[in-house]
Amino acid sequence: AQSVTQLDSHVSVSEGTPVLLRCNYSSSYSPSLFWYVQHPNKGLQLLLKYTSAATLVKGINGFEAEFKKSETSFHLTKPSAHMSDAAEYFCVVRPNNAGNMLTFGGGTRLMVKP
Amino acid sequence: NAGVTQTPKFQVLKTGQSMTLQCAQDMNHEYMSWYRQDPGMGLRLIHYSVGAGITDQGEVPNGYNVSRSTTEDFPLRLLSAAPSQTSVYFCASRATGSNEQFFGPGTRLTVL
Repeated sequence: AQSVTQLDSHVSVSEGTPVLLRCNYSSSYSPSLFWYVQHPNKGLQLLLKYTSAATLVKGINGFEAEFKKSETSFHLTKPSAHMSDAAEYFCVVRPNNAGNMLTFGGGTRLMVKP
Repeated sequence: NAGVTQTPKFQVLKTGQSMTLQCAQDMNHEYMSWYRQDPGMGLRLIHYSVGAGITDQGEVPNGYNVSRSTTEDFPLRLLSAAPSQTSVYFCASRATGSNEQFFGPGTRLTVL
């Protein structure tokens, strides 16, 4: 079985300051990990993915995430927040034997203050 | 390519009514799936399909039926809607051997 815990349901930052969205996972098998972003009233867009290659993964819009197996974490970061980053972010795990079975975290709503 | 399309975008039903949420993809993806999104719970898998003629249950299948007669289409049926099915529904597809899921824009369903 697998599970995903996003440690913060809401994160608020000022524009231009760093962003950290935390994600811990558990998985019986070596996982693939993803971060998706959902802007208000929109569908989900893939930000980045980890699939057992480099542990530091770079995604779109300046986001990156580091896979730390020892800590079972896959935190999402960005050096400098932009107003357009305000959205909900989902950490997702897919064990590599699980076919189509994605497990989503509960989501973190990122608010960016001017 | 249009990607993954869903209709309708919004729907209001009365308890006990039935309806079908449509999902189509034009990327020739084998895997298709339906999720529901509820506040604080992320997305939960309802049903999925690994190819035409093959479907299976996900995490929360009760109250929903699916079929997959073609590669392109994967409709989700609510036979007797209940208020607990008020949610936003997302369809997704993925190619065999790929890790990336493509999501549709969602259907917002309210059951009164």
